[in-house]
Amino acid sequence: KNEVEQSPQNLTAQEGEFITINCSYSVGISALHWLQQHPGGGIVSLFMLSSGKKKHGRLIATINIQEKHSSLHITASHPRDSAVYICAVRFQGGSEKLVFGKGTKLTVNP
Amino acid sequence: DSGVTQTPKHLITATGQRVTLRCSPRSGDLSVYWYQQSLDQGLQFLIQYYNGEERAKGNILERFSAQQFPDLHSELNLSSLELGDSALYFCASSASGGYYGYTFGSGTRLTVV
Repeated sequence: KNEVEQSPQNLTAQEGEFITINCSYSVGISALHWLQQHPGGGIVSLFMLSSGKKKHGRLIATINIQEKHSSLHITASHPRDSAVYICAVRFQGGSEKLVFGKGTKLTVNP
Repeated sequence: DSGVTQTPKHLITATGQRVTLRCSPRSGDLSVYWYQQSLDQGLQFLIQYYNGEERAKGNILERFSAQQFPDLHSELNLSSLELGDSALYFCASSASGGYYGYTFGSGTRLTVV
């Protein structure tokens, strides 16, 4: 079964802390996405990865294909980073659909 | 503005009714994907259209249907609505089968009362 697991489900941090959110998946993928969903509901694509590491500002995403695992890191966290972070994968096998993890709700307190 | 436009943003309707959700993809994108986000199930794939043709189907109920028009906008039709259909419905678009990523709309929040 093609599954995506995220941890933790909820995460509370103090401003300035280093944040790590994890995602693991069950079978081979062609791409992994990290998405951000703010309380208003809209979804923003942060990263698309098929190997290695990507960085954008204070956000870093890594993927280990052999381990079937990805991490999203936020350095120097800020209250505006408070959101739900969702891992989504496109599994190998031709389908273009995304399969989503259940999300990690991050709250950063000032 | 992501480039994907969804209307309406909010919809409140009664059980048994029918509604239509609309999505205009980012300019140049041929694929449109519909997703449902409910509190208990998270985000689930419903259906994909590519250049007017249905390409893939997910967990879409028989009461739901969709289509993509020649101008590439798409509509998701939900009929005989039940309380459990209350959810956020997202549309996403992509240019090349998602190989360069997906762009999401801001969603339509459907409340069935």
